Amino acid sequence: DGGITQSPKYLFRKEGQNVTLSCEQNLNHDAMYWYRQDPGQGLRLIYYSQIVNDFQKGDIAEGYSVSREKKESFPLTVTSAQKNPTAFYLCASSPQQGGSMNSPLHFGNGTRLTVT
Amino acid sequence: AQKVTQAQTEISVVEKEDVTLDCVYETRDTTYYLFWYKQPPSGELVFLIRRNSFDEQNEISGRYSWNFQKSTSSFNFTITASQVVDSAVYFCALSEASNDYKLSFGAGTTVTVRA
Repeated sequence: DGGITQSPKYLFRKEGQNVTLSCEQNLNHDAMYWYRQDPGQGLRLIYYSQIVNDFQKGDIAEGYSVSREKKESFPLTVTSAQKNPTAFYLCASSPQQGGSMNSPLHFGNGTRLTVT
Repeated sequence: AQKVTQAQTEISVVEKEDVTLDCVYETRDTTYYLFWYKQPPSGELVFLIRRNSFDEQNEISGRYSWNFQKSTSSFNFTITASQVVDSAVYFCALSEASNDYKLSFGAGTTVTVRA
């Protein structure tokens, strides 16, 4: 079955350390996205990529970095510059460039990051 | 500015009751899409429905129905005869042509259905 795999499900880090969250999809989708979810705030867009080797900042990109070297993979690095990194992180993909106009997003199961 | 407002933070009902989730959106675009997603305890968001701005027909899918009214900028979602499996967080989202079709999510409504 095709889908999006995020690993690990739970991640714990000490403050000041960078951490990379994995996102892999086998749906052959062009576009991939990273969202952050905090209680009571819905989902906020961190970064998105419409095609390999290209990515754009979302609404809350500060303190995060991404790469898109392969179509299937879109890892997110939470750097020590991110002030409040503890959150639930969701990766998503869609088959077409230009976001979700023509088709809904497919989401992974998320990674819960706790930084102490 | 908040583009999507879900005023209800939490709703608790007894099984078999109907529950309506409100969604109010804000946009200046004439072309836009509205979505509802369900997030069960497992964490993954599941797509429920997409509606484009030119189609105001209401839709029914099993126990789910949606009421889209452009005049009030609302896209409300009703679950009829709720079941325990309907317990989840429900998100309304907006995608606008002028914003590169990026999804803007509401804060979500947590629905708890008690047996």
